[in-house]
Amino acid sequence: GAVVSQHPSRVICKSGTSVKIECRSLDFQATTMFWYRQFPKQSLMLMATSNEGSKATYEQGVEKDKFLINHASLTLSTLTVTSAHPEDSSFYICSAASGGVLETQYFGPGTRLLVL
Amino acid sequence: GQNIDQPTEMTATEGAIVQINCTYQTSGFNGLFWYQQHAGEAPTFLSYNVLDGLEEKGRFSSFLSRSKGYSYLLLKELQMKDSASYLCAPMDSNYQLIWGAGTKLIIKP
Repeated sequence: GAVVSQHPSRVICKSGTSVKIECRSLDFQATTMFWYRQFPKQSLMLMATSNEGSKATYEQGVEKDKFLINHASLTLSTLTVTSAHPEDSSFYICSAASGGVLETQYFGPGTRLLVL
Repeated sequence: GQNIDQPTEMTATEGAIVQINCTYQTSGFNGLFWYQQHAGEAPTFLSYNVLDGLEEKGRFSSFLSRSKGYSYLLLKELQMKDSASYLCAPMDSNYQLIWGAGTKLIIKP
């Protein structure tokens, strides 16, 4: 149980284009989904927390107009990187948790984004 | 501030036992998670401790001392596939996980 999928697993795009990443909880309903970014050999950095049906809460320093998050259902959240630039190249990982805030976060496999 | 202290890297031998220590300082505390992360992959959940003491789960055990701000992950009968980074992540009063860079564990034959 507690399987989370992400799509795509890897994407290469040109600078200035937008990229959408999907995160799905396959066998449970995710009340809360989290989006992280991780640069090589660095710790996970929380970008935003989203609850189904409400606006995402962004961490300090994360531009909400650049990283659009939609948590449309209890099993799907999307992250859109708008007008991507090379510095946005990173490993983007989502996690999902059911129930309350103390629930374990289960991670998707991650999406490796390379912006040329 | 909030911080986590784990060794950057450890080396152990296949079949042996290794203990990865973690000390933390957080604003409030709502338990501590351990995750395993293989290179180039996302983290996978290993354990959650909220009460003091040892939680055993197969080859992996996790210990917590809240008063000392200390936890450890114990891995027994090490296998080559255990080579990975191990992330200690306490949860603060806002129910946010605090992430460090983790401990890279290298298993040698």
